[in-house]
This record gives sequence, structure tokens and C-alpha cells, in this order.
Amino acid sequence: DVKVTQSSRYLVKRTGEKVFLECVQDMDHENMFWYRQDPGLGLRLIYFSYDVKMKEKGDIPEGYSVSREKKERFSLILESASTNQTSMYLCASSLPSGGTGELFFGEGSRLTVL
Amino acid sequence: AQSVTQLGSHVSVSEGALVLLRCNYSSSVPPYLFWYVQYPNQGLQLLLKYTTGATLVKGINGFEAEFKKSETSFHLTKPSAHMSDAAEYFCAVQKTSYDKVIFGPGTSLSVIP
Repeated sequence: DVKVTQSSRYLVKRTGEKVFLECVQDMDHENMFWYRQDPGLGLRLIYFSYDVKMKEKGDIPEGYSVSREKKERFSLILESASTNQTSMYLCASSLPSGGTGELFFGEGSRLTVL
Repeated sequence: AQSVTQLGSHVSVSEGALVLLRCNYSSSVPPYLFWYVQYPNQGLQLLLKYTTGATLVKGINGFEAEFKKSETSFHLTKPSAHMSDAAEYFCAVQKTSYDKVIFGPGTSLSVIP
């Protein structure tokens, strides 16, 4: 069964802390994505990657960075967490472009920044 | 830019009643269309998708959706709601298989016993 695993389901951090959100997929997918989910706004794309060491900005990249050193792992980094980054973060993966675009999601990481 | 609208942020239905969740998209060409479901404290999972061919698409758990190009709609239906259908539902569109997937704001479905 396909699996996308996010390392932390719930995190509480303080303003200014550096935060790492880890995501691992076991489907050998080339594409990986980080979304932010907020009520009434749906899912907004933060960053995505189509290959190892490649990254592309999504719609709301400000305040975030990513790292993809291995095909199966895609990390989201908040360099200096702020209260407006309190949100649910969802990682997803998919087959290479040219497929049908189906996304496979992890269970999410709910981050609270105090 | 593409956009997706979902009419009604909250929908309540009685158990056994018809479920209808509305989705409209803006696109100049027939896109790929998706419905995802998110159960409480879980990630999203695919309910169904339209890529090409038959416009009536059947998905998991008895859901189906019909692509209507003239109305730019992709409404989700289920003939008889079950308590386990209570969840958040997201419509999504992808212009081509090389484009980003754009999500709607979501509709929260409540099922009343």
C-alpha cells in the first residue's frame, strides 16, 4: 500500500524557532509537494520538487524553504517561525508529470506557533 | 489563472438523503478534475477523477461526479448519505498533467442521524 509519512503529527513551537517538517514516501515518486491548509482557503502550495535537489516555489513560499537530498524525502523548513505560520501542513507525492496528477497525501502536521 | 469554487462551505444532510456537493472551475480547456476527501485528523485521499472519456465518473464509497463542460462544473453526488461520509471534501483541477493541481476551499459535510 502506498505511504506518505510525516514525522510529526502535532508540534508546538515558539516565535523565532527554526522548525523542520519531514516527509518520506515509499512509492518511488519523482514529484513531492508541501501544502498549507487553512479553514476557508483550501490547500495552498508552498514548494514542490520534481527531482532530487530540485525545488520550485509554489504560491506562498515566503518564510519557508525546502530540502530534497534523497528521492524519498522532502523537508519543509521554517527558518524563523511566526504566529501566522500556525497551520496544518500536508505533504504529498505523485508520479512524474505526464501522468494523471493524482496526489498521495500524508496525514498532516499541525503546527502551533506561540 | 485557474480557480475552483465550491458552493457552500458547510452542507448538512440527513442519513439516507442525497448528497450533492457543488464544484465549478474556470478553465479555457477541459482540465483534469478531482474530488478528494479528508476525514478528521487525516490527510486527503482521492475519491474520483476525470481525465478523458466518459463524463460520469464513479469513485469509491458510492460517490460519483459528472463533468459538464458547458457548465464548467464537476458536482459530486451520492444517492444515500451514511454517517461515515461526514468529512471535508475538496474539488481540484489540473489544466494539463504538467500543471499544478489547484484546490477549491473545501466543503464540510455533516450527516445528521
